[in-house]
Amino acid sequence: AAGVIQSPRHLIKEKRETATLKCYPIPRHDTVYWYQQGPGQDPQFLISFYEKMQSDKGSIPDRFSAQQFSDYHSELNMSSLELGDSALYFCASSLGGITVGKLAKNIQYFGAGTRLSVL
Amino acid sequence: AQSVTQPDIHITVSEGASLELRCNYSYGATPYLFWYVQSPGQGLQLLLKYFSGDTLVQGIKGFEAEFKRSQSSFNLRKPSVHWSDAAEYFCAVGLNSGYALNFGKGTSLLVTP
Repeated sequence: AAGVIQSPRHLIKEKRETATLKCYPIPRHDTVYWYQQGPGQDPQFLISFYEKMQSDKGSIPDRFSAQQFSDYHSELNMSSLELGDSALYFCASSLGGITVGKLAKNIQYFGAGTRLSVL
Repeated sequence: AQSVTQPDIHITVSEGASLELRCNYSYGATPYLFWYVQSPGQGLQLLLKYFSGDTLVQGIKGFEAEFKRSQSSFNLRKPSVHWSDAAEYFCAVGLNSGYALNFGKGTSLLVTP
């Protein structure tokens, strides 16, 4: 079965550079989530999108932005990179059906991640 | 504040022995609970989930977990561990404000011969 595809798998950047991470959800999934996992840390939620609209926002720095496109893939844009941005970035997708004010019974499927190293 | 606690940072078990990984949550509403496993350098694989109903849930790879509301726990168990089970295990809770997951700090499982 098709899974969540993330590209690139590895990325090396210099400080103050920009980076773009891409996520292709499982076919027919309409919701994507971005998580950041620092070395030895648990994944931290950054942002999510449902039907191309931002659905939730976590601890995403102002230097980062993201969007979901009409084909449901998503891109995470990172600018003015800092050493502390070095981490594993995960994308997850789910089939939405979000109802405002209620917990969505989404099951999130994760990609293999993009490992970003900022030098 | 909402939180997920995995009290054990590292656990070592012998191959063939039973396993229990602990997870406690502090959460206002009825939570949605998940266990994920992460092998080194890999993504997160869903082992099992609890939404409602039967409090004992079965997952993949022979894992099961039991939801105990009175103890705010969702412990993961396996009757007989295999060497390939060595990995990082994360308990996660569905957040009330949206649909993001709140992860515990993880438990690293080492399996010895």
